[in-house]
Amino acid sequence: DQQVKQNSPSLSVQEGRISILNCDYTNSMFDYFLWYKKYPAEGPTFLISISSIKDKNEDGRFTVFLNKSAKHLSLHIVPSQPGDSAVYFCAASSNDYKLSFGAGTTVTVRA
Amino acid sequence: EAGVTQFPSHSVIEKGQTVTLRCDPISGHDNLYWYRRVMGKEIKFLLHFVKESKQDESGMPNNRFLAERTGGTYSTLKVQPAELEDSGVYFCASSQKRFTDTQYFGPGTRLTVL
Repeated sequence: DQQVKQNSPSLSVQEGRISILNCDYTNSMFDYFLWYKKYPAEGPTFLISISSIKDKNEDGRFTVFLNKSAKHLSLHIVPSQPGDSAVYFCAASSNDYKLSFGAGTTVTVRA
Repeated sequence: EAGVTQFPSHSVIEKGQTVTLRCDPISGHDNLYWYRRVMGKEIKFLLHFVKESKQDESGMPNNRFLAERTGGTYSTLKVQPAELEDSGVYFCASSQKRFTDTQYFGPGTRLTVL
């Protein structure tokens, strides 16, 4: 039973524009949410996180929004750069430490 | 500071053989995790060590998988005997103490069972 879902397997965006990645979850016990970025042949790299007590967290070009009532979070990348082309994973956890991941969204930034 | 390292990077074995994957976490990290990604799907949790103790092994597929963490340092994941469905990329991650501490991932071991 997949508790974290990323319904868009791919996203293509022009350089300089905004990338918006979406993620939905079903487990109401999740209280910590993360985005990881993955390049081919590498492990996932932590990007940004948000606690359930917040609805927004910003770090440079990356902003994560959390809507607890809708069990939905999104990642905004502004402006998108060619180096942002990668697979992005949404993940969630509760205080049991283990991360539940979505299937990933492949982002391609076009020059 | 060295990151999480995994060995080997690739392994190709035949069904029925045994394979042992190794993970060296970031020095000082109490928590060590194993995850697996099969055929481009989601990354799935396998198990969690706190120091040398298994804290949660709810994600282990079956008793063909055995994980150990010697002295609370490096960890091994043994698959014996390997089956075709065990193919995938096995990731190790480590973190400090709290569940909100970032989990740092290794590059993964790509296992192919023929």
